[in-house]
Amino acid sequence: NAGVTQTPKFQVLKTGQSMTLQCAQDMNHEYMSWYRQDPGMGLRLIHYSVGAGITDQGEVPNGYNVSRSTTEDFPLRLLSAAPSQTSVYFCASSSWEGVQETQYFGPGTRLLVL
Amino acid sequence: DAKTTQPPSMDCAEGRAANLPCNHSTISGNEYVYWYRQIHSQGPQYIIHGLKNNETNEMASLIITEDRKSSTLILPHATLRDTAVYYCIVRVLNNAGNMLTFGGGTRLMVKP
Repeated sequence: NAGVTQTPKFQVLKTGQSMTLQCAQDMNHEYMSWYRQDPGMGLRLIHYSVGAGITDQGEVPNGYNVSRSTTEDFPLRLLSAAPSQTSVYFCASSSWEGVQETQYFGPGTRLLVL
Repeated sequence: DAKTTQPPSMDCAEGRAANLPCNHSTISGNEYVYWYRQIHSQGPQYIIHGLKNNETNEMASLIITEDRKSSTLILPHATLRDTAVYYCIVRVLNNAGNMLTFGGGTRLMVKP
């Protein structure tokens, strides 16, 4: 299993540009989520999904869109990039096994918006 | 989810036990205590979780006080590779996709 994969690893954007951060998992997990981490801070939830076709907002959703057309993929779209969106973005997936629910994180995408 | 309080940083000598405290005095009866860690620039990694009993796995032990208002994560023989930020998270487990709320964590530095 590759686990949770994210592309690209690094990206530089200009203000106003749009782009999509890709996230995929091969563990057949129902739950997927996107977090951002600013320097010296903990992770903050952007959007999450509890299954294909179902998404919901987290703590900091403004400026981001998501969709979940398949179980495996959960892309994050920046509509019009702003310098405030400079951050490291982590995707995670999880599922239930009895009363156990553990989140697995991808390696992250480092985004710089100029 | 209940708020947690952790010391911002701790040091530990290599080979010694690392004891990381977490205060969660407002925890509810149905909230679990989870620990994750984040090694520099990597995605967070699950360590252990528990409800009220002490738990142990291949990575660590989790000691929860009887009143559940605090807990301690124990790394029995810390190595240099255990240098990371450790997050204590309190959350309800349900099937509505309750995601993780990260605080500031404790930065553990394991020294030779």
